[in-house]
Amino acid sequence: KAGVTQTPRYLIKTRGQQVTLSCSPISGHRSVSWYQQTPGQGLQFLFEYFSETQRNKGNFPGRFSGRQFSNSRSEMNVSTLELGDSALYLCASSSPRQGATGELFFGEGSRLTVL
Amino acid sequence: AQRVTQPEKLLSVFKGAPVELKCNYSYSGSPELFWYVQYSRQRLQLLLRHISRESIKGFTADLNKGETSFHLKKPFAQEEDSAMYYCALSVNYGGATNKLIFGTGTLLAVQP
Repeated sequence: KAGVTQTPRYLIKTRGQQVTLSCSPISGHRSVSWYQQTPGQGLQFLFEYFSETQRNKGNFPGRFSGRQFSNSRSEMNVSTLELGDSALYLCASSSPRQGATGELFFGEGSRLTVL
Repeated sequence: AQRVTQPEKLLSVFKGAPVELKCNYSYSGSPELFWYVQYSRQRLQLLLRHISRESIKGFTADLNKGETSFHLKKPFAQEEDSAMYYCALSVNYGGATNKLIFGTGTLLAVQP
């Protein structure tokens, strides 16, 4: 079974631009979560989608948004990029069961550098 | 407030020595806790979960609600255990969200 796939793996943007990151979950997984990982703050929860609905959101500004498609693939978007948005963005999918299991399967991440 | 604290950024031990990676949590509800591990050049992956009471790769973790701790232990460290270890708290286990609160991680370095 293929793992969680994230694209692009690396990207460089300048302040003020916007970026879209993509995530394909493990086949059959309906929950997709996004995390931001930085050296200073560690792993911070951005949001979670289940069956195309956002069911939880972390404490990030409205510049961070996401969506999920009917095939469970997910995208996240960051608008008006700031230097502090430079980070590794991790996507994780989880069990097809409705209830939370805490078991997340992570992708390799998309490393965003904002200049 | 929901918080997970891993007080050690780096833990260095010799092969064969016991290992204890510390994790403390703050959570008003009934906690479900996990340990995730990231080996060099690999993805972050689940190592073990409290609810399963399991031992994985010789590691165990006991939930101590009185001390609000979930320390990860192994009696004899191996070089292949060298990795970044993250403690995580599920804020709604069995419920409607898979949101995890992660600690900042501890890098375990096992010296030969």
